[in-house]
Amino acid sequence: NAGVTQTPKFRILKIGQSMTLQCTQDMNHNYMYWYRQDPGMGLKLIYYSVGAGITDKGEVPNGYNVSRSTTEDFPLRLELAAPSQTSVYFCASSLLPDPTYEQYFGPGTRLTVT
Amino acid sequence: GNSVTQMEGPVTLSEEAFLTINCTYTATGYPSLFWYVQYPGEGLQLLLKATKADDKGSNKGFEATYRKETTSFHLEKGSVQVSDSAVYFCALKAAGSGGYNKLIFGAGTRLAVHP
Repeated sequence: NAGVTQTPKFRILKIGQSMTLQCTQDMNHNYMYWYRQDPGMGLKLIYYSVGAGITDKGEVPNGYNVSRSTTEDFPLRLELAAPSQTSVYFCASSLLPDPTYEQYFGPGTRLTVT
Repeated sequence: GNSVTQMEGPVTLSEEAFLTINCTYTATGYPSLFWYVQYPGEGLQLLLKATKADDKGSNKGFEATYRKETTSFHLEKGSVQVSDSAVYFCALKAAGSGGYNKLIFGAGTRLAVHP
């Protein structure tokens, strides 16, 4: 049981380039989330999804896009990379939104934009 | 608004020392409170949680008590081990914060335990 997997682990982008961060979960969870973690800060929610075909914005969605065509996958797209998007990105999933249902996190993707 | 404040790190301890990592929160109503741990190179894992006032969450020797009167959820462990070296995040889910289990995180506290 792999849980939540993310690729790549590390990436360096030039300003204006685009890329997709991949996230896959094998727990058949309905809810999936993308967070970013800036140095010395807590995690902030970028986007979330409550099921295949349904996504919505979190606290810091600007500069990102998501899609959810299957239950398992929830990719995060950066269209025009900017230095402000240098961060560590975490994908997470949960079966249901209630606090009794744990959020499971992937190992993260460290992105640097120069 | 809702927020979480935790003590700045790094916290450096010798093995078998007592650990306290302070966490206080601001929230309306009665939030649920969590501690997550991030070991080097891994994602965050839920360590313990408490969903109502005076509840005590515990796991792997760690404990935290939900104190509404002081709006705190301090993490404690009686005797730390080198394997406890990690970053610890305090988080809350505010009451009525929506159906997607929105978590608000503190900045994290790095713990380093030396033999």
